[in-house]
Amino acid sequence: NAGVTQTPKFRILKIGQSMTLQCAQDMNHNYMYWYRQDPGMGLKLIYYSVGAGITDKGEVPNGYNVSRSTTEDFPLRLELAAPSQTSVYFCASSYSRTEINYGYTFGSGTRLTVV
Amino acid sequence: AQKITQTQPGMFVQEKEAVTLDCTYDTSDPSYGLFWYKQPSSGEMIFLIYQGSYDQQNATEGRYSLNFQKARKSANLVISASQLGDSAMYFCAMRGRVQGAQKLVFGQGTRLTINP
Repeated sequence: NAGVTQTPKFRILKIGQSMTLQCAQDMNHNYMYWYRQDPGMGLKLIYYSVGAGITDKGEVPNGYNVSRSTTEDFPLRLELAAPSQTSVYFCASSYSRTEINYGYTFGSGTRLTVV
Repeated sequence: AQKITQTQPGMFVQEKEAVTLDCTYDTSDPSYGLFWYKQPSSGEMIFLIYQGSYDQQNATEGRYSLNFQKARKSANLVISASQLGDSAMYFCAMRGRVQGAQKLVFGQGTRLTINP
């Protein structure tokens, strides 16, 4: 089982460049999430999706965009990269039911540096 | 709004001792779930234990147990017989329904160091 696959693992961007962080899951999870983790901090929600074609903002959406054209894929787009976007980015997925432990599966993360 | 608070930025414990990591939460959703994750220096998020808001018993998974006190809104993680490999960041997280959608919200984390 591949679980949640994130690419790339590392990337250095120059200020003003754009890039797309890829996330794919093969568990048929309907919910998918993008988080960022700044050094020494917890994870903050950027965007999430409850199913194909449906996305919504999380806690820190500014500077990012997402799309969800299929159940499997949830790419995160950075336009006009800024140093404040230097962080580790995690993608996660889950089922939507709350009454039992449908756990969250995390990708291995993308370490992004903007210089 | 959902909120998770971890008040211990760092903890130092002797190997083989038990350790309790604190977590308090706030939510207006009657149905929620509480998670603990371990993040070693390699960076991946490792699921440790889960407690549902309607669960009557405290969750246990091997050396991990969750001390769930619903009235106090606390969900402390207890690690028994700590090992050097337990040194890592630990995050408490809560899943609840906010504005119609499930969200997983994380605390700030506690860095646990196990000393030999």
